[in-house]
Amino acid sequence: SSEVTQDPTVSVALGQTVRITCQGDSLRRYYASWYQQRPGQAPVLVIYGENNRPSGIPDRFSGSTSGNTASLTITGSQAEDEADYYCNLRDSRGSPWVFGGGTKLTVL
Amino acid sequence: QVQLVESGGGVVQPGGSLRLSCAGSGFTFSHYAVHWVRQAPGKGLEWVADISYDGSYKNYADSVKGRFSISRDNSKNTLYLQMNSLRVEDTAVYYCVRENTVGMTTSFDSWGQGTLVTVSS
Repeated sequence: SSEVTQDPTVSVALGQTVRITCQGDSLRRYYASWYQQRPGQAPVLVIYGENNRPSGIPDRFSGSTSGNTASLTITGSQAEDEADYYCNLRDSRGSPWVFGGGTKLTVL
Repeated sequence: QVQLVESGGGVVQPGGSLRLSCAGSGFTFSHYAVHWVRQAPGKGLEWVADISYDGSYKNYADSVKGRFSISRDNSKNTLYLQMNSLRVEDTAVYYCVRENTVGMTTSFDSWGQGTLVTVSS
């Protein structure tokens, strides 16, 4: 299956902007979706498609794609944004779906 | 509201079998494809299998192909995962996930709370 890579850890100061990225060849064909997972909880969808937020997700979360890289941006990070973030997309080879390895976001 | 509730997890010896169930409510279960996604302790998410809304199409991750079987009973609003020849590396929380397609975009918009499967001797 194709590889989808994320930085393992990212940190941001409270109130600042942070970008979490996801790289993979399949991103040239498909949009990624992004999931937030707080400790001990199930993942929650935060961004899907070009840049869409499900109901209830704050507008400080946004998404974008350029070439083989998808980005999740949090503008004005809050303490409650500290979590693991995963990208997910269709795979053009092998298994139909693939997750990135996840990024642990620390809010300082 | 949309709810997915998994059950059937537990402790099983290597080589054993287990069947997971997932009950859906708050939506028309038969209209949606559904997936199983797992997470080993302290690790990331791994897609396991999916099944189309009517059960006619099924896909599996290479890591489980030939050992796991996904099925559904739309009359009972229930998804299943039959797991055979279990290995220690199958130890994980297994999530039931609803797939939603809006226009050209597909995502996993609803997740259950998960059920823990432990494979150990």
